[in-house]
Amino acid sequence: AQTVTQSQPEMSVQEAETVTLSCTYDTSENNYYLFWYKQPPSRQMILVIRQEAYKQQNATENRFSVNFQKAAKSFSLKISDSQLGDTAMYFCAFGAENNAGNMLTFGGGTRLMVKP
Amino acid sequence: NAGVMQNPRHLVRRRGQEARLRCSPMKGHSHVYWYRQLPEEGLKFMVYLQKENIIDESGMPKERFSAEFPKEGPSILRIQQVVRGDSAAYFCASSPRTVDEKLFFGSGTQLSVL
Repeated sequence: AQTVTQSQPEMSVQEAETVTLSCTYDTSENNYYLFWYKQPPSRQMILVIRQEAYKQQNATENRFSVNFQKAAKSFSLKISDSQLGDTAMYFCAFGAENNAGNMLTFGGGTRLMVKP
Repeated sequence: NAGVMQNPRHLVRRRGQEARLRCSPMKGHSHVYWYRQLPEEGLKFMVYLQKENIIDESGMPKERFSAEFPKEGPSILRIQQVVRGDSAAYFCASSPRTVDEKLFFGSGTQLSVL
C-alpha cells in the first residue's frame, strides 16, 4: 500500500513571492505517477502538474514546478510569482502504473494563503 | 465538451434515509472513479467502474454502500440508511483509459446527514 504525507497543514506567502509545498510518499512500486491538485473554495479539483517517475527531468507548468527526488521519495511543488488566485488547498497524489486503473492515493493537503 | 457532471451539488438526508449521487463522465470516457473527502482531509478512493462492471471496490465500505455504471445513463453511488459519519464530499472522476491518463474530476456532491 502507498502512503502520501504532506507535513505542512497551512502555509502563507506574500503576493509575487515564491513558496514551496512539501510532499513525501512511500511505495514499493518502481513505475508510478505523481500529481499536485489544487482545490479552491469552489471545491473543484484542478490538476496543477504531473510527473512520471521514470522521467528524471522535473515537470514544469508556467509558474508551477516540482522538485522530484525519487531516491528520497520526495515531490515538492514550487509556486513562483504567487498570485491571489493561488489561494487554495493543495493535494499531492500518487498513482501506481501497474494498477488496473487510476486509483490515486492523496495526501492530507496543505492550505495555502496568498496575502496581498 | 462538458466536463464531469455531478448532481446534486448538495444533498441533505436524515439518518436512516437513502442517498443517491449521480455522475455523468466526460464524453468518450468509459472509466469512472468515486472518491470521498471527509472535512479537512484528502480524497480517499472508494470504487472504480467501467461500463456495467465494478473493477475495484476495495475502498468502499462493505455495508450500505453500492455503486453502478449502467450501459446507459450516469454512474450512481448509493448509500443506504445513512449515518452522520457519511457526511462528506463525494467526488466522481473519469478517464478515457487506464493508468497514464489524467483524471477529470467533477465538482463533487456535499452530503450532509442530519
